[in-house]
Amino acid sequence: DTGVSQNPRHKITKRGQNVTFRCDPISEHNRLYWYRQTLGQGPEFLTYFQNEAQLEKSRLLSDRFSAERPKGSFSTLEIQRTEQGDSAMYLCATSQGALNTEAFFGQGTRLTVV
Amino acid sequence: AQSVTQLGSHVSVSEGALVLLRCNYSSSVPPYLFWYVQYPNQGLQLLLKYTTGATLVKGINGFEAEFKKSETSFHLTKPSAHMSDAAEYFCAVTVQGGSEKLVFGKGTKLTVNP
Repeated sequence: DTGVSQNPRHKITKRGQNVTFRCDPISEHNRLYWYRQTLGQGPEFLTYFQNEAQLEKSRLLSDRFSAERPKGSFSTLEIQRTEQGDSAMYLCATSQGALNTEAFFGQGTRLTVV
Repeated sequence: AQSVTQLGSHVSVSEGALVLLRCNYSSSVPPYLFWYVQYPNQGLQLLLKYTTGATLVKGINGFEAEFKKSETSFHLTKPSAHMSDAAEYFCAVTVQGGSEKLVFGKGTKLTVNP
């Protein structure tokens, strides 16, 4: 148990519906990352927060995706008008400090769009 | 931009045999390198990392890796495989002064045969 909590663990949704995932970080960690992992691939970076500020977004993060981290605590990732190509595992990771510190990953939310 | 290549999507070894998982990176600036392990239905867990200093780094569970700048490699080894080592292993790179994201390889699934 790394201390990063993601909910829900699994989500099945119909194409076109909106979904929201939540990530609760380890309490003292100021950096929070979202990654997406599809079958046979490594995690791909989506976006990154330092405290409440969203500092970087990947080109993978289309305008249907939005992420927030109010007050620098938990984070949400919303996908609007889901498509079958959005089916993946969505991973949250948090760290304290600079790049050379360890990032702790949650167990992920597996999204299936039918 | 940084990238990671993991040679061999599947590696199979016998219990007690040497484990060697290969990772090559591409980076125009000195990298930070990581190996993560992912057990089924669990989040990624850091095995070891190289940031600066000694090029041979030791991690958890008896794993170690050596940073070879001339070969742009960071291969993961363990002298004697244990059944509990069966998992998927990911090599990742990031750089100081650049994006905060980790760039992952596609992963190598390790099978340990009795």
